[in-house]
Amino acid sequence: DAGVTQSPTHLIKTRGQQVTLRCSPKSGHDTVSWYQQALGQGPQFIFQYYEEEERQRGNFPDRFSGHQFPNYSSELNVNALLLGDSALYLCASSSLGRGTQYFGPGTRLLVL
Amino acid sequence: ELKVEQNPLFLSMQEGKNYTIYCNYSTTSDRLYWYRQDPGKSLESLFVLLSNGAVKQEGRLMASLDTKARLSTLHITAAVHDLSATYFCAVEGETSGSRLTFGEGTQLTVNP
Repeated sequence: DAGVTQSPTHLIKTRGQQVTLRCSPKSGHDTVSWYQQALGQGPQFIFQYYEEEERQRGNFPDRFSGHQFPNYSSELNVNALLLGDSALYLCASSSLGRGTQYFGPGTRLLVL
Repeated sequence: ELKVEQNPLFLSMQEGKNYTIYCNYSTTSDRLYWYRQDPGKSLESLFVLLSNGAVKQEGRLMASLDTKARLSTLHITAAVHDLSATYFCAVEGETSGSRLTFGEGTQLTVNP
């Protein structure tokens, strides 16, 4: 049973660039949530996708956008990167928008 | 706005000792989760607590929930080195849908 997968594992970008992160949910899950975890802090909720629509959004600027595909996989896009966007980006999947969220291995983004 | 506070933030203990990590949250909650995170890794689900008085145990870890006090505890019995990690509690608020609000984490170090 495949768990949550994310790609890439690591990424280095420069300020002002754009980045796309990808996530495939655990088999049988249809809901994907994205979190940002800065070093030494707890994860912060970015947004959640269910049935290809953004259901909830945390306190993140519009530079952060996402998409969910018919196969339930998801992308997180960040435009106009800032140094403060450097973090571990975690994707979590669950079923029917509720229940335990299972986390992927994360993508570590470094903005220089 | 839902707030989640953990204490202590740092915990150094000897093998064989017992200790408790506390998680307080500010508003009524549907569910409370405990996750473990090893350095540079993703989050591993430990427990989900759904109702007042819920208690769950796995090995040397036991979690409990008091919804009236808005408090959860993670008790460690006879600690071993393998338990060294950062532990997060995360809360789903009744009015915040399935988004998780995390505490700051408790960094546990078990010394031989």
